[in-house]
Amino acid sequence: DAGVIQSPRHEVTEMGQEVTLRCKPISGHNSLFWYRQTMMRGLELLIYFNNNVPIDDSGMPEDRFSAKMPNASFSTLKIQPSEPRDSAVYFCASSSRDRPTFSGNTIYFGEGSWLTVV
Amino acid sequence: AQSVTQLDSHVSVSEGTPVLLRCNYSSSYSPSLFWYVQHPNKGLQLLLKYTSAATLVKGINGFEAEFKKSETSFHLTKPSAHMSDAAEYFCVVSEMNRDDKIIFGKGTRLHILP
Repeated sequence: DAGVIQSPRHEVTEMGQEVTLRCKPISGHNSLFWYRQTMMRGLELLIYFNNNVPIDDSGMPEDRFSAKMPNASFSTLKIQPSEPRDSAVYFCASSSRDRPTFSGNTIYFGEGSWLTVV
Repeated sequence: AQSVTQLDSHVSVSEGTPVLLRCNYSSSYSPSLFWYVQHPNKGLQLLLKYTSAATLVKGINGFEAEFKKSETSFHLTKPSAHMSDAAEYFCVVSEMNRDDKIIFGKGTRLHILP
């Protein structure tokens, strides 16, 4: 299995520009998560989807952030317009909800997208 | 409501000595518990997980953790630290019968002294 695939791995952009981060979850997984990691705040859950439907987006910082999951194999996180304080590592993760055994919902992480906004 | 507390933000041990990273949790339901490791500039990798089977869970790289319901703890241990263990470790709780609500601890950075 290829694991969770994120792109781009690194991006440097100017303030005000639109940033789009992409994620391909593990095939067969029905939950997808976007996390942000910074030195100050640690790891924060931004949003998660179950069966392509957003379940909890309470972690999305503000209207400049949006996330979509048009199908089971693709998700995007968009920042428009970007600001220097958005500089962080953005992780995508996926898991499978294994009914009825509830086998633990292990989350598998991508390698992250390292965003720098200057 | 579920929560997870990692009691130490930094732990330093000498190479070859035991490692103990502490984690306490609270959960209204039967929890699943995990430890993840993050090496510098890398993603998070699953070390081990507990899902209501054996209370002593063995993971990769010689790590293990014991689920203690009476103490609401899930501490991570390793008998002998190696330099390559230097990383950040996250304790995670997930409640069964919930919609994949997963809570991460704030992390413990493990330093290995030569």
